[in-house]
Amino acid sequence: EPEVTQTPSHQVTQMGQEVILRCVPISNHLYFYWYRQILGQKVEFLVSFYNNEISEKSEIFDDQFSVERPDGSNFTLKIRSTKLEDSAMYFCASSAASGDYNEQFFGPGTRLTVL
Amino acid sequence: GESVGLHLPTLSVQEGDNSIINCAYSNSASDYFIWYKQESGKGPQFIIDIRSNMDKRQGQRVTVLLNKTVKHLSLQIAATQPGDSAVYFCAGLSGGYNKLIFGAGTRLAVHP
Repeated sequence: EPEVTQTPSHQVTQMGQEVILRCVPISNHLYFYWYRQILGQKVEFLVSFYNNEISEKSEIFDDQFSVERPDGSNFTLKIRSTKLEDSAMYFCASSAASGDYNEQFFGPGTRLTVL
Repeated sequence: GESVGLHLPTLSVQEGDNSIINCAYSNSASDYFIWYKQESGKGPQFIIDIRSNMDKRQGQRVTVLLNKTVKHLSLQIAATQPGDSAVYFCAGLSGGYNKLIFGAGTRLAVHP
């Protein structure tokens, strides 16, 4: 069964450093998403991406964040200068289309720890 | 504003019992709702969904009920098994690009 994969599973970085979280969405999917989950809290939407551009972003997704689909398979989330409060699980998701009944498939997540 | 929230943070049940997990949503949250299951160390996994023009939808051992009058959503799991132990989130679909608004999560603990 096709699945979303993410690397690395755990990333430890120093405050102020740049990190890139990587995702490989399901191959025939067209819509891509990043969510994050601070420990013990709910999953929060960050950004959606379609046709090589951002479709929607949340207030969390400020100028320190960017997304890219550098090739036909990868989807990345970059945090330019990490803060302590960026420590969280980051989930990538993809769906075949937009709208109702287009299930978002989530990856296993990358745990980001900012020291 | 958009808001999807859960009534109970934890729920403990005996194996074989039925489980009911509840969720509330605000006016502008969504016309489409999904229940996700999250096991430790994994991403959310789709369980079942329901549109606002329905009040009930059944899957395998799971039923979702939607009460639009009181803006309440519930997930019923029949004959709960140890493998059902996880955190369960309700989520509302917002906007045209599948932005999911998640609730806080309920941890379901199934005891033998």
